[in-house]
Amino acid sequence: GAVVSQHPSRVICKSGTSVKIECRSLDFQATTMFWYRQFPKQSLMLMATSNEGSKATYEQGVEKDKFLINHASLTLSTLTVTSAHPEDSSFYICSATQRGYNEQFFGPGTRLTVL
Amino acid sequence: GNSVTQMEGPVTLSEEAFLTINCTYTATGYPSLFWYVQYPGEGLQLLLKATKADDKGSNKGFEATYRKETTSFHLEKGSVQVSDSAVYFCAAGGTSYGKLTFGQGTILTVHP
Repeated sequence: GAVVSQHPSRVICKSGTSVKIECRSLDFQATTMFWYRQFPKQSLMLMATSNEGSKATYEQGVEKDKFLINHASLTLSTLTVTSAHPEDSSFYICSATQRGYNEQFFGPGTRLTVL
Repeated sequence: GNSVTQMEGPVTLSEEAFLTINCTYTATGYPSLFWYVQYPGEGLQLLLKATKADDKGSNKGFEATYRKETTSFHLEKGSVQVSDSAVYFCAAGGTSYGKLTFGQGTILTVHP
């Protein structure tokens, strides 16, 4: 149980285009989902927290207009990187949890490369 | 908020050696504590956890004990294997929404 999937696992795009990454909880209802960014050989940086049906809460320094997060259902959250640039290239990881739990379940990550 | 400090790596060991990766935390209240493992190119997998003082989490030969008096949650394994080579993250969580604070990660390499 508690499986979280991400799609796509890898994406390469041209500078200036937008990319959407999906995060799904497969066997539980995720009241809260988190989006992280990880640079090579570094720790996870929390970008935003999204609660189902509400606007995402972004961490300081994260551009909400650049990283659009939607959590429209209890099993799906999406992260859209708008007008991507090479500096947006990174490993993006989502996680999900249920209300009252303090354990997060992580997706396998999405490797974004912007040319 | 919480903060987590991990032993700096990388750590390189021979197979069957003893492993310790130190982790200390600062928090208001008593967070739950976690160790996650990340294999190359993959997301994070929960290795073990402890939710209150003196709890011991264990899994796959790894252990960590929640020490309130020293605010620590050190990861140990008596005999490492090559397959344990990965990045290990210590994390603290303190809210019902599950927000986690991660340490910087420790790269472990085990040689045959």
